[in-house]
Amino acid sequence: ETGVTQSPTHLIKTRGQQVTLRCSSQSGHNTVSWYQQALGQGPQFIFQYYREEENGRGNFPPRFSGLQFPNYSSELNVNALELDDSALYLCASSRMTGRSEETQYFGPGTRLLVL
Amino acid sequence: GESVGLHLPTLSVQEGDNSIINCAYSNSASDYFIWYKQESGKGPQFIIDIRSNMDKRQGQRVTVLLNKTVKHLSLQIAATQPGDSAVYFCAENKGWGKLQFGAGTQVVVTP
Repeated sequence: ETGVTQSPTHLIKTRGQQVTLRCSSQSGHNTVSWYQQALGQGPQFIFQYYREEENGRGNFPPRFSGLQFPNYSSELNVNALELDDSALYLCASSRMTGRSEETQYFGPGTRLLVL
Repeated sequence: GESVGLHLPTLSVQEGDNSIINCAYSNSASDYFIWYKQESGKGPQFIIDIRSNMDKRQGQRVTVLLNKTVKHLSLQIAATQPGDSAVYFCAENKGWGKLQFGAGTQVVVTP
């Protein structure tokens, strides 16, 4: 088990609503990356936060946004939920020193169902 | 476009045998690869990683081989056990926090 935790474990929302997912990074880590994993597929990179700023972003629309807090924890916010947003949302933390990133360790995920 | 992909979607292996999971990549400049194991209902679990300055790396019961000439890497699991049943992903670290995953290989261990 990694030290990465996520909440909630499961969530049901309706189309058009907004959702906030939370992630606490492993001790000693200073970055958080978020991924979306549809059923039967590999995780897709949404973005990474480092030094409380977005450090890199995948091919996701602006309604996917995030925050990182001084304690390195992070939130993923998704506005105007669509049915296709139903997925497992994973966060991963790592340690960044300069421009060098170490291994990313994943949390257990939040299962989001949009009806 | 660039991709990290897996050759076989499902691998059935008898308990005690060795497993080999293959992965191909397309970008010859790729320099950092990671293998993850994902059990049902859980997040991906780090297994082993390898950088392009190495051809081989060993862990506990696992070995990763990197062939840069043909842009291929493999994960070998020795003496496969029932607890090894899971989906295995190879991932490429593309920088700026992005891991690019393949679709995964389901490993099924039979008694």
